[in-house]
Amino acid sequence: DTAVSQTPKYLVTQMGNDKSIKCEQNLGHDTMYWYKQDSKKFLKIMFSYNNKELIINETVPNRFSPKSPDKAHLNLHINSLELGDSAVYFCASSQDSYGTEAFFGQGTRLTVV
Amino acid sequence: GDSVTQMEGPVTLSEEAFLTINCTYTATGYPSLFWYVQYPGEGLQLLLKATKADDKGSNKGFEATYRKETTSFHLEKGSVQVSDSAVYFCALSGGGSNYKLTFGKGTLLTVNP
Repeated sequence: DTAVSQTPKYLVTQMGNDKSIKCEQNLGHDTMYWYKQDSKKFLKIMFSYNNKELIINETVPNRFSPKSPDKAHLNLHINSLELGDSAVYFCASSQDSYGTEAFFGQGTRLTVV
Repeated sequence: GDSVTQMEGPVTLSEEAFLTINCTYTATGYPSLFWYVQYPGEGLQLLLKATKADDKGSNKGFEATYRKETTSFHLEKGSVQVSDSAVYFCALSGGGSNYKLTFGKGTLLTVNP
């Protein structure tokens, strides 16, 4: 009964491919996020959704397209993968958007070769 | 925009030593403050939080006090253990940073037996 689960945990793919990462939360939260963690462990917000609506798109290339089919799911699709996309991607959720803590998934380590 | 600055690591301590990791923030409004911990190969876990000035968050022997006058939220533990070895992130949410957590760069702590 994992609170925030994302799949896959590891993803190795070639440049130019398209891939998706799935995320689900069973906490009943309204807000979901995607964060990118680079090789130096720096965490940066990519997208924020509230009740299935996109709220934040933090200057992420158009190749990244999030989709929220319902409040409990936020998937990330990446087109035309590049070497620089290699990172750990974290999904997270929070009860609301106004200063409550976020719960994180285990991360997806994406390696583009 | 809002930002978080935390002391750069790595920090290396012997078991039972005293730990301080400094964190200061810049924010509009009145954000909530958090410390998250990331153990090797895992996602982020909330360690402690404080939602208003002078609140003290505590968990597992760690504590931090929300100091509005110095815009700080320093993490302390009186006696660290080998199992505390991890990356620690200071973060804020709310205030001017709704719909996202803004993280510091993380501090790697290694505790030797």
